[in-house]
Amino acid sequence: GAVVSQHPSWVICKSGTSVKIECRSLDFQATTMFWYRQFPKQSLMLMATSNEGSKATYEQGVEKDKFLINHASLTLSTLTVTSAHPEDSSFYICSADPGQGNHEAFFGQGTRLTVV
Amino acid sequence: SQKIEQNSEALNIQEGKTATLTCNYTNYSPAYLQWYRQDPGRGPVFLLLIRENEKEKRKERLKVTFDTTLKQSLFHITASQPADSATYLCALDGDTGGFKTIFGAGTRLFVKA
Repeated sequence: GAVVSQHPSWVICKSGTSVKIECRSLDFQATTMFWYRQFPKQSLMLMATSNEGSKATYEQGVEKDKFLINHASLTLSTLTVTSAHPEDSSFYICSADPGQGNHEAFFGQGTRLTVV
Repeated sequence: SQKIEQNSEALNIQEGKTATLTCNYTNYSPAYLQWYRQDPGRGPVFLLLIRENEKEKRKERLKVTFDTTLKQSLFHITASQPADSATYLCALDGDTGGFKTIFGAGTRLFVKA
């Protein structure tokens, strides 16, 4: 099946700094990727839809200036958490659809962000 | 608002038994319903998709039913094994024309040897 690779798998950063998370589709091209956040024992919450070559579409309540998304190529989307605070600590997951028409989403391994 | 409910209490069963997980939803008319497996600290892995015009879908030891009248899906794992222990997520899709999926919080399954 299609493979989505996410990096890093975990990161610890100081409050006020920025962190970049990468999401790559390894064996297919993805015009659209999705970024989710998941708090413990809660569902995945869609943050934004990343579109190659255009601006990302953010869900209601998600600050676009805080969570910067760049989808510069058909295989790479990045999420940058700017001026991170402890409340941004969470599990961030990306997904992509290979566009095979079977509506199966492939997820990255996730990134555990801890802001201290 | 759209809502997906999965049993938040963990399900504990004995190896070899059938595990049945429930997913209920409201204020949504999905074209597809999906089940994913998620292990701790990992991203979800796709298991099965069932369409609105399908009543039942099977894949190896997995069976999914979809009742659009009751707005409910049941997910069965037969002959369960300790390796089946994980969190299982229900997801709805297909209502917006794009690939925008909403997820339930998942049910944790423990299979005891």
